[in-house]
Amino acid sequence: NAGVMQNPRHLVRRRGQEARLRCSPMKGHSHVYWYRQLPEEGLKFMVYLQKENIIDESGMPKERFSAEFPKEGPSILRIQQVVRGDSAAYFCASSPLERVVAFFGQGTRLTVV
Amino acid sequence: ILNVEQSPQSLHVQEGDSTNFTCSFPSSNFYALHWYRWETAKSPEALFVMTLNGDEKKKGRISATLNTKEGYSYLYIKGSQPEDSATYLCATYGSSNTGKLIFGQGTTLQVKP
Repeated sequence: NAGVMQNPRHLVRRRGQEARLRCSPMKGHSHVYWYRQLPEEGLKFMVYLQKENIIDESGMPKERFSAEFPKEGPSILRIQQVVRGDSAAYFCASSPLERVVAFFGQGTRLTVV
Repeated sequence: ILNVEQSPQSLHVQEGDSTNFTCSFPSSNFYALHWYRWETAKSPEALFVMTLNGDEKKKGRISATLNTKEGYSYLYIKGSQPEDSATYLCATYGSSNTGKLIFGQGTTLQVKP
């Protein structure tokens, strides 16, 4: 049973481009969380999704950021028109049910140049 | 707004020392507390999930206690080893009851041989 897979591991984008970060949860997991880690900071909650539903997006910036978790395929975190301040490590985690232990992927490090 | 606070922010100990750190959280609407261990260049790994007031969990030399009435949890490491060097994160659920998992800033432990 493969763990939570995130790709790419490293992503470089120029200012104004779009960044797409993918997260394949563990088999059988229907809950996905996305977190952002800024330099020298901890894990900041962004969004919590279940299959085809956004449950809580209270941590998402109001503009340029969106997330989805379709019925088939990985969860996608999309950042449009990236700016330097979006440079961070983005982690996703998955769980089989609500409010049980979550398993993390290894993160995607986004660098905006 | 849910504030999960951890202290100290960082800790340096000698091999063989025992150490402990604190996680504090709002005691109202408590559901569960998670402890994670995060080694550099790896993904956070779950240590414990604690739900009941007075709970005590143990895994090898690491143990944790929970006080839900006053809103804190302690993580103890007995006889620290260099391989215990990591950031230790605690997390709990937002009061909105949506199931989003909110993390503290972490305590970074460095064990010197």
